[in-house]
Amino acid sequence: LAKTTQPISMDSYEGQEVNITCSHNNIATNDYITWYQQFPSQGPRFIIQGYKTKVTNEVASLFIPADRKSSTLSLPRVSLSDTAVYYCLVGRAKAGSSNTGKLIFGQGTTLQVKP
Amino acid sequence: GAVVSQHPSRVICKSGTSVKIECRSLDFQATTMFWYRQFPKQSLMLMATSNEGSKATYEQGVEKDKFLINHASLTLSTLTVTSAHPEDSSFYICSARAPGSGGTYGEQFFGPGTRLTVL
Repeated sequence: LAKTTQPISMDSYEGQEVNITCSHNNIATNDYITWYQQFPSQGPRFIIQGYKTKVTNEVASLFIPADRKSSTLSLPRVSLSDTAVYYCLVGRAKAGSSNTGKLIFGQGTTLQVKP
Repeated sequence: GAVVSQHPSRVICKSGTSVKIECRSLDFQATTMFWYRQFPKQSLMLMATSNEGSKATYEQGVEKDKFLINHASLTLSTLTVTSAHPEDSSFYICSARAPGSGGTYGEQFFGPGTRLTVL
């Protein structure tokens, strides 16, 4: 499983766009990149998943360069309620005898949104 | 998204007692569930992979005799912390994997967590 590296913490203000970058230099060909959000004393919540280029949904965008050694989660116009820990995970999406699809969490990025 | 529940949400017990935590997938069948533990200000640590109808697979360093996992049905997995001690106090989170398609794993949905405090 590829190791991920993220900034430990970030600060932002309401209404700003926030970009959190994750490094995953050892990502494998079959690995997907997934981001989760976690509020205190709650389970993680899926935000977005991608394999290459750009993925966008109603809450975020995920940018993945051609070499896939990093990815950037973009949160448009954050609000106070976006204060949380954001985890970048890399793992196999395709089932196989050599992997169980388990998710290994790194340290995550604590985002603090200020008024 | 799909819903995963955990029960209880919070439990306080005396040292030496055993505590059972339930994880249920409410609107889908999950052949695989996962158990995590999270200490304050730390990330989630995977404890074990629970497969319906078979023995759980434990991560390195996790005592299988202390953390008993039973995945008796496609919607229920239980984690029993046996002879709990204060150092077992933690936030326990389960996740359930939805069925996939085309050889691809389904999405994992996480439960709300169970706060265990051992006195």
